[in-house]
Amino acid sequence: QQQVKQSPQSLIVQKGGIPIINCAYENTAFDYFPWYQQFPGKGPALLIAIRPDVSEKKEGRFTISFNKSAKQFSLHIMDSQPGDSATYFCAANLGYKLSFGAGTTVTVRA
Amino acid sequence: GAVVSQHPSWVICKSGTSVKIECRSLDFQATTMFWYRQFPKQSLMLMATSNEGSKATYEQGVEKDKFLINHASLTLSTLTVTSAHPEDSSFYICSASSNTEAFFGQGTRLTVV
Repeated sequence: QQQVKQSPQSLIVQKGGIPIINCAYENTAFDYFPWYQQFPGKGPALLIAIRPDVSEKKEGRFTISFNKSAKQFSLHIMDSQPGDSATYFCAANLGYKLSFGAGTTVTVRA
Repeated sequence: GAVVSQHPSWVICKSGTSVKIECRSLDFQATTMFWYRQFPKQSLMLMATSNEGSKATYEQGVEKDKFLINHASLTLSTLTVTSAHPEDSSFYICSASSNTEAFFGQGTRLTVV
């Protein structure tokens, strides 16, 4: 049973567009929500993370929006570039154990 | 960010042999390490949680006698795939936790022929 639901499965945007990836969870005990970026054949790399007492966090072109009451959070990639083309995973942490979403493959076309 | 080194990055082995994968945290001590398996175009599936100095905790459906995990020190955990078969071919990834952040290794592509 997947504890974190992620959508869409894939999306394509033009360079400069803003891909948005959404995640939802049920377990209110989750205390930390990271996003990971993964390129083919590589391990996931931590991109940005947020705690449930914060509604928004920005790091460079990446923004997390967090809605605690709705148990949803999303990743926005501002001014997307072809180099951002990768698979993105949301996750939720409980006791050092991460539950991952299914992943979203983002393609940014030049 | 913290560095987690995983070795080898890829390995091909014959069916019936065993393969060992190492995971090292290079610049911090990790009391907990995790081993994941990832099939093509799928998410990471947690196989087991490895705690230094104690037995690993395996997720449901993961054979502990097939996937041997050793966490001998605060910077090293190993996964041994015993008597490997073609269906064990996959991408194996380790991660090490520093407080509440998890840092991942580069992954190991295992191909069993």
